[in-house]
Amino acid sequence: KAGVTQTPRYLIKTRGQQVTLSCSPISGHRSVSWYQQTPGQGLQFLFEYFSETQRNKGNFPGRFSGRQFSNSRSEMNVSTLELGDSALYLCASRTIPDLGELFFGEGSRLTVL
Amino acid sequence: GQQVMQIPQYQHVQEGEDFTTYCNSSTTLSNIQWYKQRPGGHPVFLIQLVKSGEVKKQKRLTFQFGEAKKNSSLHITATQTTDVGTYFCAGPREYGGSQGNLIFGKGTKLSVKP
Repeated sequence: KAGVTQTPRYLIKTRGQQVTLSCSPISGHRSVSWYQQTPGQGLQFLFEYFSETQRNKGNFPGRFSGRQFSNSRSEMNVSTLELGDSALYLCASRTIPDLGELFFGEGSRLTVL
Repeated sequence: GQQVMQIPQYQHVQEGEDFTTYCNSSTTLSNIQWYKQRPGGHPVFLIQLVKSGEVKKQKRLTFQFGEAKKNSSLHITATQTTDVGTYFCAGPREYGGSQGNLIFGKGTKLSVKP
C-alpha cells in the first residue's frame, strides 16, 4: 500500500511569489491535514480537510489556503511568500477525522529567498 | 488556548543509558499519541494511549498516560543509536466535547553517543 505522497519535495521561491504543494493520501484515507514544521515553532497545524470540506483551520494568515478534491487529494497554496514561510510542509492522512493515527508524507521543503 | 508542552527540549545520552521525555497538556485529553521523527525524515506514529493510568510497552519503550489524562511520558531503556531522533507527543484539540486536529508538543530531540 503506497504511503502519503507529497510533491514537490524541495522548492525554492523568492519573496512575493506564490507556491502550490500537493498531497496524495493513502488509498482509502479521506482526511488530510497539513502541518508547518520549523525548528523554532515545531509542528503547527494549518488545516484539515474531509470530504472536500475544511473542518479545522490553524492560526495562520489568509495567505495560506488549501482545498481537497473528490479523490481526497489535497493542495495547499501560499501566496505572497515571506522569508518566514521557509519550512517543511507536512501532509498527513487518516481514514476519517478524529480517529486513529496520522500517516505523514515526507514533506515539501520550501525555501524562500 | 490549548497547549501541549514537552520537556526536555534536548537530551544527549551515552549508548546504553536510559532516556525519558515528559509531555504535559493544559487540558484533559481523551487520548495521547506519540510519534518519532528521524533526522531528515517525517513523523512516524508509535502509539496511542486512551485510558487513565495506562501503561504500554514496545520492546525497550514504555509509554504512560497520567491518571488525570493531562500528562504522559516515554521512557527508553538502554538507548541504542537507532533511537536517535525527535519524539513528539500529540493530543486532540477539544471543542466542547468534540475533538479536532492533533496538537503537537515541540518534541524532545534525542542524540545517542556510541
